Amino acid sequence: QITLKESGPTLVKPTQTLTLTCTFSGFSLSTSGVGVGWIRQPPGKALEWLALIYWDDDKRYSPSLKSRLTITKDTSKNQVVLTMTNMDPVDTATYYCALVTGDAIDYWGQGTLVTVSS
Amino acid sequence: QSVLTQPPSVSGAPGQRVTISCTGSSSNIGAGYDVHWYQQLPGTAPKLLIYGNSNRPSGVPDRFSGSKSGTSASLAITGLQAEDEADYYCQSYDSSLSGSLYVFGTGTKVTVL
Repeated sequence: QITLKESGPTLVKPTQTLTLTCTFSGFSLSTSGVGVGWIRQPPGKALEWLALIYWDDDKRYSPSLKSRLTITKDTSKNQVVLTMTNMDPVDTATYYCALVTGDAIDYWGQGTLVTVSS
Repeated sequence: QSVLTQPPSVSGAPGQRVTISCTGSSSNIGAGYDVHWYQQLPGTAPKLLIYGNSNRPSGVPDRFSGSKSGTSASLAITGLQAEDEADYYCQSYDSSLSGSLYVFGTGTKVTVL
């Protein structure tokens, strides 16, 4: 059974750095073709891809957020970590991690709501 | 911001057919990248509905179908049911000078009248 779960702070202050961890089970991020990504969704708004890391450590970032994002993986711990610097209230959103095989998202985490407020 | 454009809303009576368009450009759908569709029920994570333009994962009713042509794609729901009331998103890959990553559509809310 494949599961993904996001963890991290629910509240961050403006200008702070957000660190989110995706802990997964049921698959290995060392398997060829597998990727784990992060997607966010502001309240009442559309989904937005943030970053993706592949089994071979290839990393892709949203062009508009690239300067603020870092994605890393720890294969031995079955975790993927996303950091986003200089948080702003407009970054308030539910953040999802997801399993990608091929091009489509096969499995999603339940999501974690992060609020940016002083 | 989204580079794939969808209508904000569509509606239909039970049993009717509705379609949702997803319009892209030469850097995404028009470049030959596949389109996938997700259904998001209120308060839940999205669920894969259509992959590879027109394929249904196991368990997805055949009332849902997808197609792609040129720089656009479409999702059709036939025999609309109350449980289909949800938000729907298309997704593709975008490759431009500024970078490459998957992209979502702007989302469409389906209302069953």
